[in-house]
Amino acid sequence: AQSVTQLGSHVSVSEGALVLLRCNYSSSVPPYLFWYVQYPNQGLQLLLKYTSAATLVKGINGFEAEFKKSETSFHLTKPSAHMSDAAEYFCAVRGTSYDKVIFGPGTSLSVIP
Amino acid sequence: ETGVTQTPRHLVMGMTNKKSLKCEQHLGHNAMYWYKQSAKKPLELMFVYNFKEQTENNSVPSRFSPECPNSSHLFLHLHTLQPEDSALYLCASSQGRGAEKLFFGSGTQLSVL
Repeated sequence: AQSVTQLGSHVSVSEGALVLLRCNYSSSVPPYLFWYVQYPNQGLQLLLKYTSAATLVKGINGFEAEFKKSETSFHLTKPSAHMSDAAEYFCAVRGTSYDKVIFGPGTSLSVIP
Repeated sequence: ETGVTQTPRHLVMGMTNKKSLKCEQHLGHNAMYWYKQSAKKPLELMFVYNFKEQTENNSVPSRFSPECPNSSHLFLHLHTLQPEDSALYLCASSQGRGAEKLFFGSGTQLSVL
């Protein structure tokens, strides 16, 4: 079965500091992995995805993530946090069922001025 | 209007009421999804439709009844709900199978009294 865990339900960083949001997955098949962001009162928006090509994936708004099979991880990073990055971030994995995307519990990111 | 539109934005209903949530996508996608987002819980996939055919039912109670009359519209009919059904209900769409990029609406915030 597929599952996702996100270490830390809440992360605070200073503006300009490195953002690191952790995601570990479990999958019985080669995974497709995703990061989504949710701003207040909005739906989720895709930040980036890994679909078995390059292990370092670049996304929108300066975010990137690295797929590490040996660690079953897909951590999200951004070199310099901006106030507008404050949001809820969700890691997700596609299940064995082609249409089924399983989301992690989310990490709330706060950016301190 | 573009993207995925959900109506109403907010809904309050009693346990004996019958109501419907509506989702419309203007992206030309052929797959549509219902997700449930509860406080303190990960997003839960409820239903998936591809070309109007239901391809996933994630063990959802029968008091939730989906309807997909065409690839652009998705409904969730609600009857005899329980207070624990209070949540944000998110609709999403994607192009093709595989859910590689989900486009989400802003959701309907449902309160069951």
